[in-house]
Amino acid sequence: DQQVKQNSPSLSVQEGRISILNCDYTNSMFDYFLWYKKYPAEGPTFLISISSIKDKNEDGRFTVFLNKSAKHLSLHIVPSQPGDSAVYFCAASAVFWGKLQFGAGTQVVVTP
Amino acid sequence: EAGVTQSPTHLIKTRGQQATLRCSPISGHTSVYWYQQALGLGLQFLLWYDEGEERNRGNFPPRFSGRQFPNYSSELNVNALELEDSALYLCASSWGEQGEVYNEQFFGPGTRLTVL
Repeated sequence: DQQVKQNSPSLSVQEGRISILNCDYTNSMFDYFLWYKKYPAEGPTFLISISSIKDKNEDGRFTVFLNKSAKHLSLHIVPSQPGDSAVYFCAASAVFWGKLQFGAGTQVVVTP
Repeated sequence: EAGVTQSPTHLIKTRGQQATLRCSPISGHTSVYWYQQALGLGLQFLLWYDEGEERNRGNFPPRFSGRQFPNYSSELNVNALELEDSALYLCASSWGEQGEVYNEQFFGPGTRLTVL
């Protein structure tokens, strides 16, 4: 039961350009959304989050947009840097739920 | 500030044995979560402990169990190991106040369990 979907398994972007990662969800109970970055053989690193009462949240080069009516969120990385090459996971949760429901991930490759 | 720590880094067991994985949360965090990432699969939620109690459980058999200690560290036990239990097991922690849970979870480096 894929309640969180990342339909693009991979994304290649040039250094300095914008990376846009997309995520769709189906469960209307979700009210908190997060993005994580993961390198091989390491645990995910928290990047940015957004609650359902907002439609945008920024932190440095990272901006997350939430469209509740479309059940869609996106992560923008501007400008993209070679160190951004990793797998990015979208995750969703609900208050008191505790668990995070993860998408399958998008492999981002930033080329010089 | 120290992050979430997990031990051991790698664990090799044979089918039918028991495995014990350990996790120390970030100081001040009271909630601990366990996830499984099997090869080719995404992160699957296993267990959530808060203030020493199991709060939620994922779709895993009872062979997977755990506990949280008074110092908020946690243990994941997997009994009667099967080959498909081979995976990266990740522990995460977060802080929360009574009646409210903050869902920003911070992950440890994981324990790679191999079942032969």
